Amino acid sequence: KAGVTQTPRYLIKTRGQQVTLSCSPISGHRSVSWYQQTPGQGLQFLFEYFSETQRNKGNFPGRFSGRQFSNSRSEMNVSTLELGDSALYLCASSLGKRRDTQYFGPGTRLTVL
Amino acid sequence: GESVGLHLPTLSVQEGDNSIINCAYSNSASDYFIWYKQESGKGPQFIIDIRSNMDKRQGQRVTVLLNKTVKHLSLQIAATQPGDSAVYFCAETPASGGYNKLIFGAGTRLAVHP
Repeated sequence: KAGVTQTPRYLIKTRGQQVTLSCSPISGHRSVSWYQQTPGQGLQFLFEYFSETQRNKGNFPGRFSGRQFSNSRSEMNVSTLELGDSALYLCASSLGKRRDTQYFGPGTRLTVL
Repeated sequence: GESVGLHLPTLSVQEGDNSIINCAYSNSASDYFIWYKQESGKGPQFIIDIRSNMDKRQGQRVTVLLNKTVKHLSLQIAATQPGDSAVYFCAETPASGGYNKLIFGAGTRLAVHP
């Protein structure tokens, strides 16, 4: 069974631009969560989607948004990019029940110049 | 904000020795804990998990211990191998309101020397 895939793997943007990242979960998984990883703040939860609905949200500004499609694929969008948004963005998928194992993708490395 | 283990220590061990990685968690209401391993350039990889109604769980070469009294979690790796070199994160899920939200610790770097 294929793992979680994320595209693109690397991205370079400039301040003020917006970006869309994509995540394809493991087949059969209905929950997709997004995390931001930086050296300073570590791994921080952004949001979780289940059956096309945002089920949970972390403490990030409204510039960070996401959505999930009927095939469980998910996208996250960051608008008006700031230098501090440079990070590794990880998505994780699971079956969707509480305490189901979450499997992570390789991440998208975003650099904001 | 919420946090699990603010420090990022480095643990250096000799190949073949046992490793113990520790984690302090902050939310006494959390009821599910997980250890992940992250190698350079990769996403976190699930190692083992434990529910709050248990105090010990064993996997292949790994054991997780949970001490709810002092809010402490540990990961023991037996016969550490060079391939175990990575950053290890503990994570917790709050019992309510968090659903599948994982709160991660800062991580511990494990360096295995031949």
